[in-house]
Amino acid sequence: SQELEQSPQSLIVQEGKNLTINCTSSKTLYGLYWYKQKYGEGLIFLMMLQKGGEEKSHEKITAKLDEKKQQSSLHITASQPSHAGIYLCGAPTHGSSNTGKLIFGQGTTLQVKP
Amino acid sequence: EAEVAQSPRYKITEKSQAVAFWCDPISGHATLYWYRQILGQGPELLVQFQDESVVDDSQLPKDRFSAERLKGVDSTLKIQPAELGDSAMYLCASSLGGGVYNSPLHFGNGTRLTVT
Repeated sequence: SQELEQSPQSLIVQEGKNLTINCTSSKTLYGLYWYKQKYGEGLIFLMMLQKGGEEKSHEKITAKLDEKKQQSSLHITASQPSHAGIYLCGAPTHGSSNTGKLIFGQGTTLQVKP
Repeated sequence: EAEVAQSPRYKITEKSQAVAFWCDPISGHATLYWYRQILGQGPELLVQFQDESVVDDSQLPKDRFSAERLKGVDSTLKIQPAELGDSAMYLCASSLGGGVYNSPLHFGNGTRLTVT
């Protein structure tokens, strides 16, 4: 079965610093979703990457998909306390791209110190 | 902005008792998902509906869990009897359907279940 591994598992950065979170798949990626979750709450959709080499940005968050490496990265520029939370990557498994089923990584917990 | 509604937000129950969670998806969303998230882990799919039909329930422990979406709108997930290992966040999500590239999954705020 396919698995998604996120690194690092947790991260503490000083406000204003840049950071990167990685998501590596054990099998071919057919697209990649990034979500953010505050503790005890639901997942908030950030962005979806469909094609290899695709890069998307939303405010100060940029995500890229490298199909050859079976990996996606999420980069936050000039981090702010509002960026704190748990970041989760999700991906459709082979054969589930039509049904919409996603598997998820274990999450990366980000703390931003003022 | 439309949201996925879930209730209750928190539920504490004793083991061997029955418990039920309710989800109302975003209006017009044909696909509904129930995920379970254990603390410190990513969500795992329990069951997926397309309208009122089950599309995938391969990870649903059917001896104790049941789910229904009778009119193809809101849904109920039930556990009977609850076990200590069922303590987790139960998340409902919905999408327009048509595949992952057409519509992202939108999640509710979840129900935090604690079994004592």
